Amino acid sequence: EPEVTQTPSHQVTQMGQEVILRCVPISNHLYFYWYRQILGQKVEFLVSFYNNEISEKSEIFDDQFSVERPDGSNFTLKIRSTKLEDSAMYFCARSGTSGGALTDTQYFGPGTRLTVL
Amino acid sequence: QQPVQSPQAVILREGEDAVINCSSSKALYSVHWYRQKHGEAPVFLMILLKGGEQMRHEKISASFNEKKQQSSLYLTASQLSYSGTYFCGTPDYNQGGKLIFGQGTELSVKP
Repeated sequence: EPEVTQTPSHQVTQMGQEVILRCVPISNHLYFYWYRQILGQKVEFLVSFYNNEISEKSEIFDDQFSVERPDGSNFTLKIRSTKLEDSAMYFCARSGTSGGALTDTQYFGPGTRLTVL
Repeated sequence: QQPVQSPQAVILREGEDAVINCSSSKALYSVHWYRQKHGEAPVFLMILLKGGEQMRHEKISASFNEKKQQSSLYLTASQLSYSGTYFCGTPDYNQGGKLIFGQGTELSVKP
């Protein structure tokens, strides 16, 4: 049983369009993360979210990206104006049932494959 | 700082053993090992927290050296299901616990 679910599983969009990727935790956790993986490359950190606020973001996470938890449950990643280089797998992960971000396991959702044409 | 994995790729016959290394120039807080099948999400294998610690997940084991600068993943009597890319990840000290991943080791087990 997945720790988090993500929708959609695959999103195809035109360059310049906005996309919203969703992550739904199965149960309450403290820390959420978005990671990105370009095909054939390593997993890269985008942003971490703690207590309904961004706790850290990477250089990749520029003004085109935003995260929200609009209803206290779903966790969304928005890309305002997609670029070709945004094509990647986007993973949501959760951890921190005990509050120890440095020692808790991070469980990844199944991912959303974003294809920008 | 990104941990460095070696080798980059390994090809094994079923039943053979392999070792994957994950190294850093400075002490790591912890090491998290994941396996990723093509087109799927990384799946957690195990976490090592203490210098000198050893952990096991089925027939896969891992160690963390005393200085906490190197971790090794040992795959013994490999099975076809072991094929995939193995990543080590280490949390950032600063805040939030983001994982910084190595570049991955691609393992192929042939019958």
